[in-house]
Amino acid sequence: QVQLVQSGAEVRNPGASVKVSCKASGYTFTSYHMHWVRQAPGQGLEWVGVVNPSTGRTSYAQKFQGRVTMTRDTSTSTVYMELSSLTFDDTAVYYCARDVDGFDPWGQGTLVTVSS
Amino acid sequence: SYELTQPPSVSVSPGQTARITCSADALPKNYAYWYQQKPGQAPILVIYKDSERPSGIPERFSGSSSGTTVTLTISGVQAEDEADYYCQSADSSATSAYVIFGGGTKLTVL
Repeated sequence: QVQLVQSGAEVRNPGASVKVSCKASGYTFTSYHMHWVRQAPGQGLEWVGVVNPSTGRTSYAQKFQGRVTMTRDTSTSTVYMELSSLTFDDTAVYYCARDVDGFDPWGQGTLVTVSS
Repeated sequence: SYELTQPPSVSVSPGQTARITCSADALPKNYAYWYQQKPGQAPILVIYKDSERPSGIPERFSGSSSGTTVTLTISGVQAEDEADYYCQSADSSATSAYVIFGGGTKLTVL
């Protein structure tokens, strides 16, 4: 079955960077774009950006331009999202989600906590 | 860019019909998608392309579109349908993509 498995929870200091992984299985990795969406505690969903696993091409939400980098490793069917210059407002659960004309499925989420 | 507006909350009794709206503030409206999220869980897709239902989603979930407003309808609401619901739309060009979510609606089953 199609599955997205994300890396574990992370704690970072303000100003640091974090890199979250999302390993795909059960389908052809390069056939579908992968999005990243985050959700701050008690808040709604916020789109971060998308990566094309076939070409590596990316598109980021304007809010995160210059601070986010999405990459992929086709040999391991894994996509990565790195967010730099972290602030307390970046504390959130970060999800990867496959784009099949709608986001389906979603990874289990990775909690990133920014704390001093 | 544009925004998607949802009511913060909707309450219904079991067996009744719940309707959750999502309004876009600008044209053109692109396809809309709906997600259900229960506490502590990742969202799941319940409606795609305004009105299509993924396999495995109960028939009581349906979607419709009129102008720049889309509606998620849950007929015969069950206690297990209590969750947050988010609408989502997207736009893209040759050089960029843009995805937006509504603010979410908390469905309470009384």
